[in-house]
This record gives sequence, structure tokens and C-alpha cells, in this order.
Amino acid sequence: DTGVSQDPRHKITKRGQNVTFRCDPISEHNRLYWYRQTLGQGPEFLTYFQNEAQLEKSRLLSDRFSAERPKGSFSTLEIQRTEQGDSAMYLCATRQGAKAEQYFGPGTRLTVT
Amino acid sequence: GENVEQHPSTLSVQEGDSAVIKCTYSDSASNYFPWYKQELGKRPQLIIDIRSNVGEKKDQRIAVTLNKTAKHFSLHITETQPEDSAVYFCAASSGGSYIPTFGRGTSLIVHP
Repeated sequence: DTGVSQDPRHKITKRGQNVTFRCDPISEHNRLYWYRQTLGQGPEFLTYFQNEAQLEKSRLLSDRFSAERPKGSFSTLEIQRTEQGDSAMYLCATRQGAKAEQYFGPGTRLTVT
Repeated sequence: GENVEQHPSTLSVQEGDSAVIKCTYSDSASNYFPWYKQELGKRPQLIIDIRSNVGEKKDQRIAVTLNKTAKHFSLHITETQPEDSAVYFCAASSGGSYIPTFGRGTSLIVHP
């Protein structure tokens, strides 16, 4: 499969623990987005990278959230001191250069107990 | 910031009927409007998109129309099939970063 991949697909954690998710883009895609999706809602934008530079962050991205894309390829999203309200599907999407079309990964479903 | 409203939240049709989903947006600077289909437990997939310099775009049974003056755009699916059943999201974005604001989704159910 040469599409966007995410790991893990599911994560159950206890409140207060830290979690880290990974996104691997389609190889030639230099733009990368993270979204959060809760049941019955559309994806909500969290952050955007162009190559290794983090260019945009949503106000939804509290200081407990941090994202990196160190070499402009894969990206990680870390949530520190998880809360029950962090339970959601975390989606990654990527696109190529000036093209607008975004391709989504399968998501990581986070459950905070 | 941008606000996207989507209606209806649920749409039930018989196989072979047409389905129309409508969205409105608030930011007149928005210039790119994609539509995504998300089947249960799957990732969102782009099905069609339209830019602000175009009024209508069609791809087989799917079409999208855009009215910039009224700030609304619609998805039209003709000859619906049971495999069209899914949640459909509209979105609007502006600028070169293409950061979308999504609607809340429409659950389309096509009865055989």
C-alpha cells in the first residue's frame, strides 16, 4: 500500500499518560496535516507542515500537544498528560506541492480511560 | 475564521433517486471546496472538488455547483446506489495552505 499510513491504529491509555502517534506520508508529498475527528463531526484541523516547517497551528492545539516532522518525511503527534476529552480519531493527511488534493491516512483511534 | 454549515444531517433515498447535499460558508476569501466520502470505520476520501473560478464540475454520477455570491455549494449524486451510503463532508479553504474547515457531515442512506 503506497498511501498514507498511521501507527498505531488504536491506542488505549489511562488519563495522565503520554501518547505518540506516527504518520508516514505518500513519498513525494511535502505537505502534511493533522486533524482530530470525534463522533458525528467533521475533521478539525490541528496543525500543518510544509516539509519540516510547522507553518500553522490551530487554537485547538493546546500546550499538551506537540507535533514534529524532523526530516520532512514522517511526522509524530504527541499528547502529554492525556485527558478523557482527548479521546478521538486522529487523522493525518498529505498532499503534493501546489496540488490541493489531500489524501488521508486510516487514523489512530485514541481512547483515554 | 471560516464557518461551514452543512444540510441535511441525514438523507435517506431509494436506489436510483438523486441526492443533494448543501453547504454554506462564511469567508468570502475561500477559494477551494472539496467533498469527502467517509464510509464507516474508513478514512475520508476525496470524491470531487471545485475552485472558486468555476461554477460547476461533474464526474460521472457526481456533480458539484458553487454560487460565490450566495456563498453556497452543493453536491449532487444521480442514480444513487447502495454503495453510495456513507457520510459526506463538505469543506472550504482559502490561500495556498489549503487548510479546510469541514461541515458536520451528511449521513446518506441508499435503500435497495
